[in-house]
Amino acid sequence: DAGVIQSPRHEVTEMGQEVTLRCKPISGHDYLFWYRQTMMRGLELLIYFNNNVPIDDSGMPEDRFSAKMPNASFSTLKIQPSEPRDSAVYFCASSYGTERVEETQYFGPGTRLLVL
Amino acid sequence: GDSVTQMEGPVTLSEEAFLTINCTYTATGYPSLFWYVQYPGEGLQLLLKATKADDKGSNKGFEATYRKETTSFHLEKGSVQVSDSAVYFCALSDRGSGNTGKLIFGQGTTLQVKP
Repeated sequence: DAGVIQSPRHEVTEMGQEVTLRCKPISGHDYLFWYRQTMMRGLELLIYFNNNVPIDDSGMPEDRFSAKMPNASFSTLKIQPSEPRDSAVYFCASSYGTERVEETQYFGPGTRLLVL
Repeated sequence: GDSVTQMEGPVTLSEEAFLTINCTYTATGYPSLFWYVQYPGEGLQLLLKATKADDKGSNKGFEATYRKETTSFHLEKGSVQVSDSAVYFCALSDRGSGNTGKLIFGQGTTLQVKP
């Protein structure tokens, strides 16, 4: 398996622009997680899905952030409008959560976002 | 709620030194425990895990034992290498409300190994 795939790997944009981050989870995994990592705040869970349904979005910073999972093999995280404080590395992770022994989350390589 | 506390970093060691990174947790029920490693510029990778009390997880010379009595899961390695320089995250499965599939991460500990 190719692992979790994220695109783009790097994104530089200007304040006010819309940014869309994409994630393809590992085939067969039923949980998908979006995280944000910054030096100041560390690793933060933004939102996660189970079987394509959002379960907990309490970590989403504000209404400018939205996430969708239209099918089991694709998810997007959108920021509109973007602001400089959104600059961070955004990770997607997936797991097979049905059986307890398979709680391990597998992370993608991340998208490094810089908002100027 | 459930939480994970790791020792503050950075931890700086010379090559071949012994490593311990402390991790303690607070949880309801019986969580699984994990150590993840993040090398510079990369995503987090699972290093090892333990699913029940007294289990020992091990990988690449790293070990950690699930201690329920002390609610700890300390990471150890007998002889570190420069290539072990990374950020290490302790985590537990959030099972307070059943199998949520969610992990609770500690703040991460940066390890720097000097030649």
